[in-house]
Amino acid sequence: EVQLLQSGGGLVQPGGSLRLSCVASGFTFISYDITWIRQGPGQGLEWVSRISGSGRSAYYADSVRGRFSLSRDNSKNTVDLDMKSLRVEDTAVYYCAKDRSGWPEFDHWGQGVLVTV
Amino acid sequence: EIVMTQSPALVSVSPGERATLSCRASQSVDSKLAWYQQKPGQAPRLLIYAASTRATGIPDRFSGTGSGTEFTLTISSLQSEDFAIYYCQEYHNWPPLTFGGGTKVEVK
Repeated sequence: EVQLLQSGGGLVQPGGSLRLSCVASGFTFISYDITWIRQGPGQGLEWVSRISGSGRSAYYADSVRGRFSLSRDNSKNTVDLDMKSLRVEDTAVYYCAKDRSGWPEFDHWGQGVLVTV
Repeated sequence: EIVMTQSPALVSVSPGERATLSCRASQSVDSKLAWYQQKPGQAPRLLIYAASTRATGIPDRFSGTGSGTEFTLTISSLQSEDFAIYYCQEYHNWPPLTFGGGTKVEVK
């Protein structure tokens, strides 16, 4: 069974930092890109960042580029989202998600973690 | 950046009736379009990918059509568990990946 288990959310002051983690199981982790998507209070879905299976390529939304950094450890089936210089507008539930099959069609999602700035 | 516009923002439907949700892209996304369902307090669930292919385990009352800039999600006979918010998402020319603003399907 595919599972994405997230951790690391919480309350942080503006300008602070936080690390979110996503631990995967049930599939060949290195074969799949992992994407982070967030949802502000009462808002829609917003793409945040995406990392390739190898970890060599990472992409960021303009709203977080230069402040957020995405990395993965394929030996531990883990993806980490490091968030710095946090702003009030970064307050959201953050989800990690897995591609269905090579395309950014997200067939499995983490449970989501709340970040409050 | 491609902008995805969903309409209507809210639709009221009686159980057993049909619901038709629209999603428009600001430029062609070919068939690189997915639909998700989200219920309160839950992560989104993939319903449709490649504009018209149902994801694993999705009932056949859900169908997707369209290509280019105009897409439709149809729920043929609404069940109680279908009342939720639905999002479209394009993945034609990323980054960025973009979502529509959502359509809430509520009980009439």
